[in-house]
Amino acid sequence: DVKVTQSSRYLVKRTGEKVFLECVQDMDHENMFWYRQDPGLGLRLIYFSYDVKMKEKGDIPEGYSVSREKKERFSLILESASTNQTSMYLCASSWGLVTQPQHFGDGTRLSIL
Amino acid sequence: GQQLNQSPQSMFIQEGEDVSMNCTSSSIFNTWLWYKQDPGEGPVLLIALYKAGELTSNGRLTAQFGITRKDSFLNISASIPSDVGIYFCAGQPMTTDSWGKLQFGAGTQVVVTP
Repeated sequence: DVKVTQSSRYLVKRTGEKVFLECVQDMDHENMFWYRQDPGLGLRLIYFSYDVKMKEKGDIPEGYSVSREKKERFSLILESASTNQTSMYLCASSWGLVTQPQHFGDGTRLSIL
Repeated sequence: GQQLNQSPQSMFIQEGEDVSMNCTSSSIFNTWLWYKQDPGEGPVLLIALYKAGELTSNGRLTAQFGITRKDSFLNISASIPSDVGIYFCAGQPMTTDSWGKLQFGAGTQVVVTP
């Protein structure tokens, strides 16, 4: 089974802090994704990566950056956290971009105070 | 990104009943996916569909890829209490500017009463 592991289930940070969310997958998938999930807005893509050191902006990249130094690890960075970034963050990975399904981690519920 | 039209938004059903939900779009898709999400957890893949007209089952779940490539449905037969959760559809559009990006439905909340 595919295993996508997010480093924290719950995280509380303060406004202005730099926040790192980590994601690791164990299936040698090329592609990794970061989403945020908010009530009424569904899942929105923040960034994705189709190879080591490669990244592509999703639909809502503002206020975020990402890092992929190793194939199995994809980090989401909130450069200066703000209260409107309080959300559930989901990491996913997949084999191919076009036809292969994405497999999700359990999510990190991030609260910015 | 564009959100898929998923209906119904919620369903309250009795144990043993069948459940049906669907997703539609104005765009053509080359992949349809159905996920289930339990409270506080990430979505779990239930069924993946890759060809127009394809009908695929996973236990009591059955899903179909619409022949027009613009819709998909999910059926759950003989519901049980553990079927409670939010069911999401997701699709991979065929347009190149959507490469790698899934579109998601808003979810169908299923509540099963004994």
